[in-house]
Amino acid sequence: EAGVAQSPRYKIIEKRQSVAFWCNPISGHATLYWYQQILGQGPKLLIQFQNNGVVDDSQLPKDRFSAERLKGVDSTLKIQPAKLEDSAVYLCASSLGDLSVADTQYFGPGTRLTVL
Amino acid sequence: SQQGEEDPQALSIQEGENATMNCSYKTSINNLQWYRQNSGRGLVHLILIRSNEREKHSGRLRVTLDTSKKSSSLLITASRAADTASYFCAYSGYSTLTFGKGTMLLVSP
Repeated sequence: EAGVAQSPRYKIIEKRQSVAFWCNPISGHATLYWYQQILGQGPKLLIQFQNNGVVDDSQLPKDRFSAERLKGVDSTLKIQPAKLEDSAVYLCASSLGDLSVADTQYFGPGTRLTVL
Repeated sequence: SQQGEEDPQALSIQEGENATMNCSYKTSINNLQWYRQNSGRGLVHLILIRSNEREKHSGRLRVTLDTSKKSSSLLITASRAADTASYFCAYSGYSTLTFGKGTMLLVSP
């Protein structure tokens, strides 16, 4: 079974530029998550989708971050404009999405973003 | 949401020794999970314990949960160099996971 795919793996941009990350979840997984992991910290949830609807985006800085999951499969996360403090690894995860049971999340390899 | 706290922040042991790491959290939970992260394999799910469970085993892993103290521990027995990684607890009230800051484990041959 193929895992969660993310691209690009690395990205270097200058502040105030824009950047987009792409995620393809495990086939059949209804729930998709984007996390931000700053060096030395645990992942922080940015947004959670159930199919193509948003479940939780309370920690997404909506003035500069946006995310979409068209057709309930692939997802993109965009930052515009980027700030220095956005330097982090952006992780995508997916899960079956059966909210009646505890759900295991499967993570992609992440995109390491450096903002100069 | 607030991150949980892992203790210790870093742990260095020899192969064959046991490693214990602890996690504390501040809210009511539905379940608590442990993940491992290293550069080679990314973030990988290890084990999940539900709020009505007190102990769970998986191979060389043993997890305990004390909901009255809002704490959990992960024990890795007979550690190997390949266990070198960062270990995170992550707790869930419903479906959203909140991760702790992690414990860095170094296992020396």
